[in-house]
Amino acid sequence: DQQVKQNSPSLSVQEGRISILNCDYTNSMFDYFLWYKKYPAEGPTFLISISSIKDKNEDGRFTVFLNKSAKHLSLHIVPSQPGDSAVYFCAASAQKTSYDKVIFGPGTSLSVIP
Amino acid sequence: DSGVTQTPKHLITATGQRVTLRCSPRSGDLSVYWYQQSLDQGLQFLIQYYNGEERAKGNILERFSAQQFPDLHSELNLSSLELGDSALYFCASSAWGDEAFFGQGTRLTVV
Repeated sequence: DQQVKQNSPSLSVQEGRISILNCDYTNSMFDYFLWYKKYPAEGPTFLISISSIKDKNEDGRFTVFLNKSAKHLSLHIVPSQPGDSAVYFCAASAQKTSYDKVIFGPGTSLSVIP
Repeated sequence: DSGVTQTPKHLITATGQRVTLRCSPRSGDLSVYWYQQSLDQGLQFLIQYYNGEERAKGNILERFSAQQFPDLHSELNLSSLELGDSALYFCASSAWGDEAFFGQGTRLTVV
């Protein structure tokens, strides 16, 4: 059973518009959430994180929103740029300190169209 | 460049064979993690080593094993390979409590 779900395998957005990537989780013990970005032929790179004591974390064009009651988080990219085209992995953990506890979702492939 | 180096980048081998994947972590990182990514799947945690010792195990098959050497590089050994073992294998490293940095991955194709 997938504990971290990204129900949209792919998303296309026009350059300059907002990209919204969604993620749902099932384990109420998760209290730390991360987003990773992956380009083809490269490894995933850390993008942004949020702990359950917050409901929003912002880093430049990237904002992650957390709705604990709905067990849902989303990543907003504003404005979207062609260089943002990549696969985005949502991940969750009940323990920040070690990645053996991090559960990754299947990823959403974002295409930003110029 | 994440600072994590994985070799080889690509590997094609036959069923029943054994292969070794190598990982050099970022300078100073004591933790090394191995992940498997199959088609349309998220990253599945396999195993973690910390300063030479096995620290955590995920869904790693008995045919798979790993080790971390005194210089902190790590190897993942996959034996009696099956078609279903074809996947991307990632290594990641981290300092304690920090986010992990991933290597470029090794794409294994079993034919």
